[in-house]
Amino acid sequence: DADVTQTPRNRITKTGKRIMLECSQTKGHDRMYWYRQDPGLGLRLIYYSFDVKDINKGEISDGYSVSRQAQAKFSLSLESAIPNQTALYFCATSEPGTEDTDTQYFGPGTRLTVL
Amino acid sequence: AQKVTQAQTEISVVEKEDVTLDCVYETRDTTYYLFWYKQPPSGELVFLIRRNSFDEQNEISGRYSWNFQKSTSSFNFTITASQVVDSAVYFCALSGTFNGGKLIFGQGTELSVKP
Repeated sequence: DADVTQTPRNRITKTGKRIMLECSQTKGHDRMYWYRQDPGLGLRLIYYSFDVKDINKGEISDGYSVSRQAQAKFSLSLESAIPNQTALYFCATSEPGTEDTDTQYFGPGTRLTVL
Repeated sequence: AQKVTQAQTEISVVEKEDVTLDCVYETRDTTYYLFWYKQPPSGELVFLIRRNSFDEQNEISGRYSWNFQKSTSSFNFTITASQVVDSAVYFCALSGTFNGGKLIFGQGTELSVKP
């Protein structure tokens, strides 16, 4: 089984709808991240969480919110989806203070289309 | 400023050619990490390598090799005898204490290997 999973893998929704993307990990990592990827713009950080009680905005947090329900779960919500939020969304995890410090392991991605 | 530049947006080679993907970084940190990730057409992001700023030894893994040169702030990636399966977008990334362990990604280089 994959260490980092994302659900759903694909989603089509309409403008104004609230949508939640979920991420789960079995790696036991404390740190989790949400990114979006747009063609030509690379990966941009939306939110990140260094532990269950620590949540921080990334460079493009407007229009998004997150919830860290447990060490293993980190959800991203679009409160009122708009077409320019159409993108590929990735969840990632990492663990500090190890030989693997700062290495991020990514989920398979969620392709979101907002009509 | 902390920054990662992948100047090559797209590269096209014929199978069995060698190809080098360039990565130049900027950082004020003395301790930092450099990474390469692969994103094949299927979309997932695959971790390839992590390099500590104190370790300038080149690394080879099969057909892949990485050349880290602090003097030129570069961390280049070479694929020897390229294969069609190497076709992907490759991202270089940087982390350090300046950024609390978060990754800064380059814009990516799209490699196309033609048969």
